[in-house]
Amino acid sequence: GAVVSQHPSWVICKSGTSVKIECRSLDFQATTMFWYRQFPKQSLMLMATSNEGSKATYEQGVEKDKFLINHASLTLSTLTVTSAHPEDSSFYICSARDPAGGVVNEQFFGPGTRLTVL
Amino acid sequence: GENVEQHPSTLSVQEGDSAVIKCTYSDSASNYFPWYKQELGKRPQLIIDIRSNVGEKKDQRIAVTLNKTAKHFSLHITETQPEDSAVYFCAASYTGTASKLTFGTGTRLQVTL
Repeated sequence: GAVVSQHPSWVICKSGTSVKIECRSLDFQATTMFWYRQFPKQSLMLMATSNEGSKATYEQGVEKDKFLINHASLTLSTLTVTSAHPEDSSFYICSARDPAGGVVNEQFFGPGTRLTVL
Repeated sequence: GENVEQHPSTLSVQEGDSAVIKCTYSDSASNYFPWYKQELGKRPQLIIDIRSNVGEKKDQRIAVTLNKTAKHFSLHITETQPEDSAVYFCAASYTGTASKLTFGTGTRLQVTL
């Protein structure tokens, strides 16, 4: 149980275009999902907390108008990178908490999406 | 906010030896401390976690210790194997509506034959 999927697994786009990444909880309902960004040989940095039915909470330094998050259902959160530039190239990983799970704080991670902006 | 420091950044051990990775955290409210193993291009994989009401937890070759007073926790891997080679991350979180995870900077473990 507690499986999280992401789509696409990798994407290449031209500078200035927008890219949407989907994060789905497959076998549980997730009221809260998290979006992380990981640059090569670096740690996971939390970008924002996605709350079902309400606005996302962004971490300091993350532009909310550039990284649009929508959590319209209990099983789906999307991250849209708008007007992408080469410096946005990174590994984007989502995670979700299962409120019905045994460990309150445990997060289940998606497989990640490799974004390359040319 | 929470700040998690992790050492060492790289660690090379011979197969069969033990490996220890240490982390410190700053927020005394943190009460959940997971450890993740991440292989190149893959998702972080939870390998063990500990809550603040426990001082030590063990799962086969892996153990984690927690010192709440000193605000540090450590990962111990015994009898290391080549397949243990990966990047390991510690993290800290507290029970709450957000339960955000703050990650350490990572340790690249290399197990040599």
